[in-house]
Amino acid sequence: ETGVTQTPRHLVMGMTNKKSLKCEQHLGHNAMYWYKQSAKKPLELMFVYSLEERVENNSVPSRFSPECPNSSHLFLHLHTLQPEDSALYLCASSQDRDISYEQYFGPGTRLTVT
Amino acid sequence: GQQVMQIPQYQHVQEGEDFTTYCNSSTTLSNIQWYKQRPGGHPVFLIQLVKSGEVKKQKRLTFQFGEAKKNSSLHITATQTTDVGTYFCAGGPYNFNKFYFGSGTKLNVKP
Repeated sequence: ETGVTQTPRHLVMGMTNKKSLKCEQHLGHNAMYWYKQSAKKPLELMFVYSLEERVENNSVPSRFSPECPNSSHLFLHLHTLQPEDSALYLCASSQDRDISYEQYFGPGTRLTVT
Repeated sequence: GQQVMQIPQYQHVQEGEDFTTYCNSSTTLSNIQWYKQRPGGHPVFLIQLVKSGEVKKQKRLTFQFGEAKKNSSLHITATQTTDVGTYFCAGGPYNFNKFYFGSGTKLNVKP
């Protein structure tokens, strides 16, 4: 159903590990997003990329590092995370950065930090 | 502070009963979108409202955008178990190209 894929679907990592989340969209969209979803904050926007350029960074700790090598791929590099970073990480894309366009979400990566 | 408020946080209904969730903003919105997230799933776009006082229907779902474009509602008539999930609104203030998701309303439907 979804034109946005995410890998891995589940990830367990220790606080000293380094891992990366991958997102790929097959919709020809120009904007991509990372969201964090937890019980405390249901949908928390982390980063926005438009035409491979980061246009929004919502006070996200530096232990989260995004990368957008091209308009179809988005990565979230993780290092020295904390247990409170455990959450569902959702990637989304839209035709354009303009808020009039609907967002298409991927299935998410369920992250557990031990 | 949070730009878009959504109530209620939870709603439990008996199958066949109606359900409404409300979305409110302190600022005028240029548009509002509604999404549904099934348990274990991801948010899926339902609809977008743009005009003041706009009303749109999708089968048993009725979406409204307030006259002042500061509030919106989603009403489901005669709920079914397939309606279970969390409903999110998302709005963008005028002249500010940024989107804010509401906190969501989790709907549970008892058969």
